[in-house]
Amino acid sequence: GNSVTQMEGPVTLSEEAFLTINCTYTATGYPSLFWYVQYPGEGLQLLLKATKADDKGSNKGFEATYRKETTSFHLEKGSVQVSDSAVYFCALRGTQGGSEKLVFGKGTKLTVNP
Amino acid sequence: DGGITQSPKYLFRKEGQNVTLSCEQNLNHDAMYWYRQDPGQGLRLIYYSQIVNDFQKGDIAEGYSVSREKKESFPLTVTSAQKNPTAFYLCASSRGQARGNTIYFGEGSWLTVV
Repeated sequence: GNSVTQMEGPVTLSEEAFLTINCTYTATGYPSLFWYVQYPGEGLQLLLKATKADDKGSNKGFEATYRKETTSFHLEKGSVQVSDSAVYFCALRGTQGGSEKLVFGKGTKLTVNP
Repeated sequence: DGGITQSPKYLFRKEGQNVTLSCEQNLNHDAMYWYRQDPGQGLRLIYYSQIVNDFQKGDIAEGYSVSREKKESFPLTVTSAQKNPTAFYLCASSRGQARGNTIYFGEGSWLTVV
């Protein structure tokens, strides 16, 4: 079945450091890929998405490129801020069992220190 | 403002009781979902509905029930048969089931068994 594997955290960085959170997937067909962010005690917010190979999603300085050849969708940001501290979830939406379900990774907790 | 409203934010359940979590959306979305999140875990799908008066079991439906009598509403009942109900519950919706459609989330409800 479809699955998502993302790097385990927690990740701790200093402000203005470069961020990479790795995400790889297993899926049949051509899934869409998503990154969601969750701040403490809140629901999930869509951060960015890509719907086909070589698409780059971007938002708020975050970027991720849909790489079909490596089945990856790594999240990057050039200079993190304290306000980026949150849990980040990689997810895919693709055909499984006849429906387009959303499958999540386990999440990566990011802490950014001033 | 358009969005997904979950209530209550915090709920306490005694052993043997059924409780119902409310989810309302004014996005005119056809599809709605319930997910469960446990600490340090990804999200797991409980139930989903693609259209009014129709719903399907997700990966962990045992001990839960839902109804979809109106397009905008998708309440979740946690029954006494659910042996470990303490968790964070997230309601979500999307325009449709196509893989490119984004799934949007509410703010979540915390359920604690006392």
